[in-house]
Amino acid sequence: AQSVSQHNHHVILSEAASLELGCNYSYGGTVNLFWYVQYPGQHLQLLLKYFSGDPLVKGIKGFEAEFIKSKFSFNLRKPSVQWSDTAEYFCAVNSYYGGSQGNLIFGKGTKLSVKP
Amino acid sequence: DARVTQTPRHKVTEMGQEVTMRCQPILGHNTVFWYRQTMMQGLELLAYFRNRAPLDDSGMPKDRFSAEMPDATLATLKIQPSEPRDSAVYFCASEYNEQFFGPGTRLTVL
Repeated sequence: AQSVSQHNHHVILSEAASLELGCNYSYGGTVNLFWYVQYPGQHLQLLLKYFSGDPLVKGIKGFEAEFIKSKFSFNLRKPSVQWSDTAEYFCAVNSYYGGSQGNLIFGKGTKLSVKP
Repeated sequence: DARVTQTPRHKVTEMGQEVTMRCQPILGHNTVFWYRQTMMQGLELLAYFRNRAPLDDSGMPKDRFSAEMPDATLATLKIQPSEPRDSAVYFCASEYNEQFFGPGTRLTVL
């Protein structure tokens, strides 16, 4: 079965520190990759997505992610975090099989706490 | 600004009562998902529809949960009878290339 692993359950950083959140998936075929963010008490919102093309994807609020196919990874990065980035971050993957798009599989999420 | 809407936003009920949650997907999105989010289990897919037809509801407890899509503008998730372990936030999402999530229904079953 396909799976998505997010290695860090909770990350605590000070403002201006750099961020990298890991995400690995298990499917070897064609995939679409997503990062969602959930601010406290709110719903999931899309940060960025990768369908094809340049493996370095830029999203909103200064976030970016790099798709490394050989490592089955799609890590999220931000050079300098702010207190307002405190949220939970979810990596998600859907795959193509037999010409059909499968369901979105979510990782367990990583809570990011940024200290002012 | 097209959005997925969900009602109610909050629901507190007693064990054994019926709960109905509603979702209005974004117009033109033909795939609708129901998710449940809890601290312990994270985000779980309960069921989804494509062109109003149920495609997969394997994530739902069949004896008490039911999901329907009576028309293209409304999806419902019903729990009967509700139990305390059903307390969670229930999200609806509609999809066109990517999934757009609604604000969720926070359900508390006492």
